[in-house]
Amino acid sequence: AQTVTQSQPEMSVQEAETVTLSCTYDTSENNYYLFWYKQPPSRQMILVIRQEAYKQQNATENRFSVNFQKAAKSFSLKISDSQLGDTAMYFCAFSNAGNNRKLIWGLGTSLAVNP
Amino acid sequence: NAGVTQTPKFQVLKTGQSMTLQCAQDMNHEYMSWYRQDPGMGLRLIHYSVGAGITDQGEVPNGYNVSRSTTEDFPLRLLSAAPSQTSVYFCASSYVGLQYFGPGTRLTVL
Repeated sequence: AQTVTQSQPEMSVQEAETVTLSCTYDTSENNYYLFWYKQPPSRQMILVIRQEAYKQQNATENRFSVNFQKAAKSFSLKISDSQLGDTAMYFCAFSNAGNNRKLIWGLGTSLAVNP
Repeated sequence: NAGVTQTPKFQVLKTGQSMTLQCAQDMNHEYMSWYRQDPGMGLRLIHYSVGAGITDQGEVPNGYNVSRSTTEDFPLRLLSAAPSQTSVYFCASSYVGLQYFGPGTRLTVL
């Protein structure tokens, strides 16, 4: 069975600094998707970044980038120049690339950005 | 595009009452799902649907029913509410693995 593990329940970072959130997963599939979602206090789930397993290049979205290590089954999220609005729960998720698109979720990392 | 909409945003029920959480999407996505979110438990899949007329169970289906008569709508029914169903409920629709979430419903069962 596929699993997603986020080993850091809570993290904090100073404003303008860089922080990395860890995620590891387990699967026997070769083709799949990986995601990072952000959930601020408003409760809305917001997609931060998506990575397709067949792409070797790491995905980036402005201040957010990933370090995708397929062999190690690792998918960490780096937030550069942290802002107060980045304070949120961050969830890592996995999805097969087939017709069944169920997401498998990690338990989340609570990130606090301090002024 | 409204995206994924959910109603109501908040609901309080008494034990034993039934209710339906509504979910609709206007993106013509085939795949829709319902999750519940509890502190320290992440998101758990209740039921999902890969298209109109097709539904299947997720991790925690007991106490919930779903139907999918149209592509747009995917209501979640609580048959006889229990305090253990106090949670935040999210509906999502999906395209090429990318899930779009509704704003959530906070349900309290007394």
